[in-house]
Amino acid sequence: QKEVEQNSGPLSVPEGAIASLNCTYSDRGSQSFFWYRQYSGKSPELIMFIYSNGDKEDGRFTAQLNKASQYVSLLIRDSQPSDSATYLCAVIRGGSYIPTFGRGTSLIVHP
Amino acid sequence: NAGVTQTPKFQVLKTGQSMTLQCAQDMNHNSMYWYRQDPGMGLRLIYYSASEGTTDKGEVPNGYNVSRLNKREFSLRLESAAPSQTSVYFCASSQTGGADYGYTFGSGTRLTVV
Repeated sequence: QKEVEQNSGPLSVPEGAIASLNCTYSDRGSQSFFWYRQYSGKSPELIMFIYSNGDKEDGRFTAQLNKASQYVSLLIRDSQPSDSATYLCAVIRGGSYIPTFGRGTSLIVHP
Repeated sequence: NAGVTQTPKFQVLKTGQSMTLQCAQDMNHNSMYWYRQDPGMGLRLIYYSASEGTTDKGEVPNGYNVSRLNKREFSLRLESAAPSQTSVYFCASSQTGGADYGYTFGSGTRLTVV
């Protein structure tokens, strides 16, 4: 089992819809969770991080963490074509500061 | 504010040639990292440096060496390039010991070994 799993996609949603990206992890001791956005040909860019169970909102983005079920999600409200990118989930285990990255989910927002 | 600067952006090497990828950050971060990214493989850690003067192997260190020259600079050297090292290389930095462990990435180096 991979440590951090993401559906590679592509996930295709219409403009204005909610895009839901999911990530599961295997280590129950994981404590820090990150979402990065990577446009084609560019470097990853940190967009959200979350440490506590529940939701964390930042503009159109909401990160959701459920440690009991070992998953973390990213919701993008009012999706725009400019949100089309690959979204990487990263997880840090307790006692470490090195994240394990998932392979990313490709999101396509079509007009 | 430049963030993390990588050079060069593109490079073509012949098998057996050597080269050094340069990385510098101006955010006063303690930790620096080198990753490679290949299609279908995601980001894989090559080497990292928790602080000035220390370096450690990551997931895929074979064929690479690193130098943490000072707090700002962390270089990656390929001593004898192989086609399997064709990849996109990213340098990253982060502040350790605090609540936010998020990375700032450089713009990447696209390396082709022929």
